[in-house]
Amino acid sequence: EDKVVQSPLSLVVHEGDTVTLNCSYEVTNFRSLLWYKQEKKAPTFLFMLTSSGIEKKSGRLSSILDKKELFSILNITATQTGDSAVYLCAVVPGAGSYQLTFGKGTKLSVIP
Amino acid sequence: GAVVSQHPSRVICKSGTSVKIECRSLDFQATTMFWYRQFPKQSLMLMATSNEGSKATYEQGVEKDKFLINHASLTLSTLTVTSAHPEDSSFYICSASENTGGGQPQHFGDGTRLSIL
Repeated sequence: EDKVVQSPLSLVVHEGDTVTLNCSYEVTNFRSLLWYKQEKKAPTFLFMLTSSGIEKKSGRLSSILDKKELFSILNITATQTGDSAVYLCAVVPGAGSYQLTFGKGTKLSVIP
Repeated sequence: GAVVSQHPSRVICKSGTSVKIECRSLDFQATTMFWYRQFPKQSLMLMATSNEGSKATYEQGVEKDKFLINHASLTLSTLTVTSAHPEDSSFYICSASENTGGGQPQHFGDGTRLSIL
């Protein structure tokens, strides 16, 4: 059975801190790994990673994938209160498949 | 970017009512759409895969007669919760990605919060 594990499950930091969110996976076939941010509504797309070692960046957020270790991290630098959300990691398990396997998410709370 | 629209965003109705939720891909075609359910403080649970022009594929434990899915066109899938009861109250979310064999990320609708009284 495909499995995606995120850690920590929750995290509280002060504004300005840097955080690292972790995602490990075990899947039969792997195509890509995605990061989403979920606030009060449905998830919004952050990154899609398919190759090892290539960092993707968007402002203060960055992410990288290690396909050998079956692991990805999401970094957020200089955190702001608006970064408070649940961050979801999901894996697309195979070529031609659209189906996502989600982790349970990391709840990030950024306090002023 | 790809936009998925979901409607309505909030439904409150009496027990026994059937509720229809629409999911539209606004600027792309989607052969496949997905329906998820999310309980408070939990992650998304896939309910079913909606396939354009054919029957939906339901996950184990999801009643297909309870959750009717219709995917009549490449831009619209509907989920109907039939004879809804309080235990069906939840946050329902759809997603879709462009038809590129899984090479594009899924984009989510804003979700529908369903409350059955």
